[in-house]
Amino acid sequence: AQTVTQSQPEMSVQEAETVTLSCTYDTSESDYYLFWYKQPPSRQMILVIRQEAYKQQNATENRFSVNFQKAAKSFSLKISDSQLGDAAMYFCAYRRPGTYKYIFGTGTRLKVLA
Amino acid sequence: NAGVTQTPKFQVLKTGQSMTLQCAQDMNHNSMYWYRQDPGMGLRLIYYSASEGTTDKGEVPNGYNVSRLNKREFSLRLESAAPSQTSVYFCASIGGTANTGELFFGEGSRLTVL
Repeated sequence: AQTVTQSQPEMSVQEAETVTLSCTYDTSESDYYLFWYKQPPSRQMILVIRQEAYKQQNATENRFSVNFQKAAKSFSLKISDSQLGDAAMYFCAYRRPGTYKYIFGTGTRLKVLA
Repeated sequence: NAGVTQTPKFQVLKTGQSMTLQCAQDMNHNSMYWYRQDPGMGLRLIYYSASEGTTDKGEVPNGYNVSRLNKREFSLRLESAAPSQTSVYFCASIGGTANTGELFFGEGSRLTVL
């Protein structure tokens, strides 16, 4: 069975600095999708970034980028130039193509210090 | 653009009472989900509906029932609430293509069972 592990329950970063959130997963599949979702204090979860496993190139979305290491089954999220609005719970998620089920990690709470 | 709408946002029940959480999406999505979020446990899938007319159990279906009323609406029912069902409940639907499927979430419903 697939699993997703986020080993950092909580992280802090100074405003304007860079922070990396870790995510590892376990799967025997070669084709899958990985996601990072952000849940601000208002609670509505939104997609931050998505990575297709067959793509070698790491996904980027403005200040957000991932370090996808397929062999190591690692999918970390880097937030550059951190802003107060980045403070949230971040969830890593896995999905196998052709299925409807997502597997979420337990989340990392990010605090941004002014 | 309403997206995914959940009602109610807050509810307090006594043990043994029943209630239904309502969810509606206006994005013409085929697939809908119900998750519960508990501290330290991330999001766990209760039930999902891959398409109108079908429903399937997720990781934690015991004590819940669902109805996919039509393509827009997917309700979650607690027949006899228990304190262990105290949680925040999220409805979600899949957007984009069937292969990548970004999840769109509602704002959540906080349920307390006394």
